[in-house]
Amino acid sequence: SQTIHQWPATLVQPVGSPLSLECTVEGTSNPNLYWYRQAAGRGLQLLFYSVGIGQISSEVPQNLSASRPQDRQFILSSKKLLLSDSGFYLCAWNQGTGGLYGYTFGSGTRLTVV
Amino acid sequence: AQSVSQHNHHVILSEAASLELGCNYSYGGTVNLFWYVQYPGQHLQLLLKYFSGDPLVKGIKGFEAEFIKSKFSFNLRKPSVQWSDTAEYFCAVNEGYSSASKIIFGSGTRLSIRP
Repeated sequence: SQTIHQWPATLVQPVGSPLSLECTVEGTSNPNLYWYRQAAGRGLQLLFYSVGIGQISSEVPQNLSASRPQDRQFILSSKKLLLSDSGFYLCAWNQGTGGLYGYTFGSGTRLTVV
Repeated sequence: AQSVSQHNHHVILSEAASLELGCNYSYGGTVNLFWYVQYPGQHLQLLLKYFSGDPLVKGIKGFEAEFIKSKFSFNLRKPSVQWSDTAEYFCAVNEGYSSASKIIFGSGTRLSIRP
């Protein structure tokens, strides 16, 4: 069966420090992968999505970047964190076109920038 | 660009009350529609989805939603809520044939049930 792993679960980082959040999917190949941020009172905002290795689409201009070095690995990064980067980051995957299967979400990373 | 509006940010109900959470989307083409739920401390999980066919969709835990194309709406309903329904509910929409299958979420509705 397919599973999605996301780590770490919580992270407290100082302003200006780098960030690397990792997401991996098991039990499937060539998934579509997504990074969302859930900020308080603002719902879920799509940050990046990827339909294949090395293919990254950015949805909103921001201080973050994403990479997909392997088929089932999706990494969210920042060179220098800002206070506004605090939030709950969710990785998700699906397969097929048209979103027929919805998403499966990871357990999320709560990032607090101090 | 697509957007999803959930006008109720926080709904408070007593147990056994009926529930209806509003969801409107803006996209003129074929859409797939979803409701996700996030119970306290848990993952987001799919509650129900609509792709085609019967516009009245039944999901888990007694929830249902009705797709009304003319109103661009996909409201979530439950005839009698329980305390365990306390959660945040997200409506979402996806273009029918997008190769990247992006799903756009609404801002969420927090549901609090008084025991």
